[in-house]
Order: sequence, then C-alpha cells, then structure tokens
Amino acid sequence: EPEVTQTPSHQVTQMGQEVILRCVPISNHLYFYWYRQILGQKVEFLVSFYNNEISEKSEIFDDQFSVERPDGSNFTLKIRSTKLEDSAMYFCASSEAPGVGELFFGEGSRLTVL
Amino acid sequence: AQSVTQLDSQVPVFEEAPVELRCNYSSSVSVYLFWYVQYPNQGLQLLLKYLSGSTLVKGINGFEAEFNKSQTSFHLRKPSVHISDTAEYFCAVSGPSGGSYIPTFGRGTSLIVHP
Repeated sequence: EPEVTQTPSHQVTQMGQEVILRCVPISNHLYFYWYRQILGQKVEFLVSFYNNEISEKSEIFDDQFSVERPDGSNFTLKIRSTKLEDSAMYFCASSEAPGVGELFFGEGSRLTVL
Repeated sequence: AQSVTQLDSQVPVFEEAPVELRCNYSSSVSVYLFWYVQYPNQGLQLLLKYLSGSTLVKGINGFEAEFNKSQTSFHLRKPSVHISDTAEYFCAVSGPSGGSYIPTFGRGTSLIVHP
C-alpha cells in the first residue's frame, strides 16, 4: 500500500542551526502539505504546495521556513535558523485533490531544539 | 475563519463500553468534516468524512459520526470499543474559508481503553 515516508524520525539540533526535514509523498499525488504539532497543542497547518510552488501558507510559515521539491519525489521543509519554539512534531501529507480529498500523512519527524 | 474544538483531551473507557469523542466547529460557510486517528508511532489516517448527504457517516473499525449543523458538532461514536482503539483522534474541518480548502485540525483527544 502506498504511503508517505518522512526522515528523520527524530532530530535534535542546537538553536540557530539549519534543519531539513524530508518527505516522500505518494507518487501520484499532486498536493503536498506540512503541518506541525507542538506537544499538547493543535495540529497546525504550515504550508501547501502544488505545481512546484506554494499554494497557501499560514502565519507560522515565516521567512525562516522554506519548502521545495528538488527532484520530483522528495518534498523538503527547511528551517533556516531554528528557535526553541520550533520544537514540535512535523507531519508531511499528500493528497490527490484539495479540500474534499483525504490527506495521507507520514509518521512525522520530531524536532527538538536545544 | 474556521476552527475546531475538541473539549476532551483524554477519554478513558473500559473495553466493550461505548464511547463518544466530541468535536465542535465554527465556520460561517458550508464545511467538510473529518475524523483522523493516529496510532502510536504512526501517521494520521482517515477514519471517516462528511461531505454532504446523510448526516450519519460510517467509517472504518466500527466508528461513526453524526453531523449536526444546528449544534455545529461532529461527534465520533463507537458502541463497543476494543483495546486496539487506544489512539489519538483528531477532528478536522475544511471548506471554502476565504477560498481555502486546507483542513484545520483540533488538538486531538486521547482515547485510552482499559481491559
């Protein structure tokens, strides 16, 4: 059964360091998403990506964040200079269509910023 | 803007007992509603969804949910839970809020089934 895969499962980094979280969406999906969940809080939308560009982003997704699809299979989230408050579980998701379509999620990447 | 409230952060229940996980949403327009489940060390997966039509929606693993527009609720129910239902459950809403169909999630409810 096709699935979304994410790496790494857990990353610990020092404040101010750059982090790249990687995702391989389901191959025939066209829409890609990043969400995050700070411990005990809501699952928050960060960004959606379609046709090789950002289609929507939330207020959380500031200049420190960027996404790209470098090679047609991977979908990456980069945090340029991590802050303590970036510590969270980051979920990648993909879907065939927006809105009514089901989102397929990866297992998440836990980021700990020290 | 749309939002989702899951009032219960944790729901403990004994095996074979019924359970209801509550979800309320706020939106000024028509919505689509979803319940996702996250088992330990796994990603979120879709349990069921309401798009239109019958307000009672049946999903996988014996779960069902009822859309109540007047109460802006979409509570999840199961008549008899199993140990394997222990997981985190997320309610989500999407709809044409400012032209966006990006799902908005609640904070989740942890269902703990005791033997």
